[in-house]
Amino acid sequence: QLQLQESGPGLVKPSETLSLTCTVSGGSISSSSYYWGWIRQPPGKGLEWIGSIYYSGSTYYNPSLKSRVTISVDTSKNQFSLKLSSVTAADTAVYYCARHPYDFGLPGYMDVWGKGTTVTVSS
Amino acid sequence: EIVLTQSPGTLSLSPGERATLSCRASQSVSSSYLAWYQQKPGQAPRLLIYGASSRATGIPDRFSGSGSGTDFTLTISRLEPEDFAVYYCQQYGSSRAFGQGTKVEIK
Repeated sequence: QLQLQESGPGLVKPSETLSLTCTVSGGSISSSSYYWGWIRQPPGKGLEWIGSIYYSGSTYYNPSLKSRVTISVDTSKNQFSLKLSSVTAADTAVYYCARHPYDFGLPGYMDVWGKGTTVTVSS
Repeated sequence: EIVLTQSPGTLSLSPGERATLSCRASQSVSSSYLAWYQQKPGQAPRLLIYGASSRATGIPDRFSGSGSGTDFTLTISRLEPEDFAVYYCQQYGSSRAFGQGTKVEIK
């Protein structure tokens, strides 16, 4: 059974870079059938898609975050990672990783989710 | 950029009642690339519906999705106690974006 697990620091200082990793178990991140993505949810608010990556390294980003986001993949470790630069308090959120079925060359809906990890931006 | 607007914000119903949730897009969603998710407090979202009307694996048939173009609906035919939660729609035809959510609460 496929499982996704987020990991990384729970506290990041303002202006620094937030770094998270998602480890995929029970399946291969190199499957041609899926993209892998990041979604976040500020406290008490809704969901926001951050971006997604294919095992080949092809990426799609939310236009509103694109200038600050980098998503990368390490197929040898079955992991993909998120870096969000110049963070502020507005980036405080639960960060989820998820799997997207490949849909006509693009990341589709999200069918498997990690449990999420809370990241707080504060000095 | 397609914006999704969900209504109502909160739906107060009793177990056994029918729930009808709406998701309206600011532009047409291509190929009915619309999904619905359920989220309970402290949990990750769970996929219910994709392609506007296809149920995800393991989802009970009391959940159904319909619609096309700019207007989509999630219907829960008879609410069970475990169905009280927040529901989000998401489009994936042009970039990816979520609606703001509808909370289904016990009346």
